[in-house]
Amino acid sequence: KAGVTQTPRYLIKTRGQQVTLSCSPISGHRSVSWYQQTPGQGLQFLFEYFSETQRNKGNFPGRFSGRQFSNSRSEMNVSTLELGDSALYLCASSLTLRLQETQYFGPGTRLLVL
Amino acid sequence: ILNVEQSPQSLHVQEGDSTNFTCSFPSSNFYALHWYRWETAKSPEALFVMTLNGDEKKKGRISATLNTKEGYSYLYIKGSQPEDSATYLCAFLNNNAGNMLTFGGGTRLMVKP
Repeated sequence: KAGVTQTPRYLIKTRGQQVTLSCSPISGHRSVSWYQQTPGQGLQFLFEYFSETQRNKGNFPGRFSGRQFSNSRSEMNVSTLELGDSALYLCASSLTLRLQETQYFGPGTRLLVL
Repeated sequence: ILNVEQSPQSLHVQEGDSTNFTCSFPSSNFYALHWYRWETAKSPEALFVMTLNGDEKKKGRISATLNTKEGYSYLYIKGSQPEDSATYLCAFLNNNAGNMLTFGGGTRLMVKP
């Protein structure tokens, strides 16, 4: 079974631009969560989607948004990029919304904002 | 704001040494604790999901214990090998926060041959 895939793997953007990152969960998984990792803050929760609905959102500004499609694939968008948005963005999928389920992580997209 | 802390931040051991590290989390509204291993340039890999006070889980040479009343979990590695070198992350799940994992800062383990 293929794992969680994320595209692109690396991205360079300039301040003020916007970016869209994509995540394809493990086949059959319906829950997708997004996390941001920066050296200073560690891994922080961005949002969680299940059945095309956002279920939870972390403490991030409105420039960060996401969506989930009917095939469970998810995208996240960051508008008006700032230097501080440079980070590794990870997505994770799980089968359902059951809280004790394992979340499976993708390899991440590394975003550099210049 | 939920505070999940891991100690030590980093650890250097010799091959064959046994080691352990700690994850501290809020003891109220506990739902689950996850442990992950994250090797450089790879995806975080799930090790354990622990839910019950007193839980002990084992996977090969790695085991973990859970104390939800006092808010800590220990991860043990017996007879460390160079391939165990990675960052070990714990993540707390609060029963009021859906599937939102709150991660600790991680313990970076380096095993010297």
